[in-house]
Amino acid sequence: QTVVTQEPSFSVSPGGTVTLTCGLSSGSVSTSYYPSWYQQTPGQAPRTLIYSTNSRSSGVPDRFSGSILGNKAALTITGAQADDESVYYCVLYMGSGISVFGGGTKLTVL
Amino acid sequence: EVQLVESGGGLVQPGGSLRLSCAASGFTFSGYWMSWVRQAPGKGLEWVSSINGTGAVTKYADSVKGRLTISRDNSKNTLYLQMNSLRAEDTAVYYCVRWRYSSTLWYYFDYWGQGTLVTVSS
Repeated sequence: QTVVTQEPSFSVSPGGTVTLTCGLSSGSVSTSYYPSWYQQTPGQAPRTLIYSTNSRSSGVPDRFSGSILGNKAALTITGAQADDESVYYCVLYMGSGISVFGGGTKLTVL
Repeated sequence: EVQLVESGGGLVQPGGSLRLSCAASGFTFSGYWMSWVRQAPGKGLEWVSSINGTGAVTKYADSVKGRLTISRDNSKNTLYLQMNSLRAEDTAVYYCVRWRYSSTLWYYFDYWGQGTLVTVSS
């Protein structure tokens, strides 16, 4: 069973930069997994941030960027703001119509 | 403006059935893959099922295969999820999501509904 791994939690200071990662329990993440990233605040539906590794969804500020770092997908937030405090999920496409979510990273801005 | 509005959630006993609906508007419904994604209380997101634009191709997570059935009615711009043999672990908010599928460019969820809560309990 393929497991997509994310840091359970992370913290960043206001104005700071943070990089969240998305890996595989076995193997490396590449662009062929078409990594995407979603932001969810409590009680709200998720919001799409990044798709196909590094493409920003409509309306997403350029403070959010995606990349491949080493053997993982990464979401970098620069100039963190208070309302960036959310849970961030990555999704990897496994082929054959199957998508797998990571467990999510709870980001605290303090 | 793309809108996805789920309905049909509620309380059901273990072993029971429920049908969720998702009314879509603001885009050419038949031209897109659609999906259901769920979230158990206090837990993360889990992909459940996807269906192509014509309804001819369906995909399921192993955890729901054989019990949940995705379908669509393009004449009504509506997506469905028929849920049978429900278990306590199916308790979750179910989101209707548009899935962008391109064999060489992208695979991702772009628009999300607000979700409908299904509670399986006696």
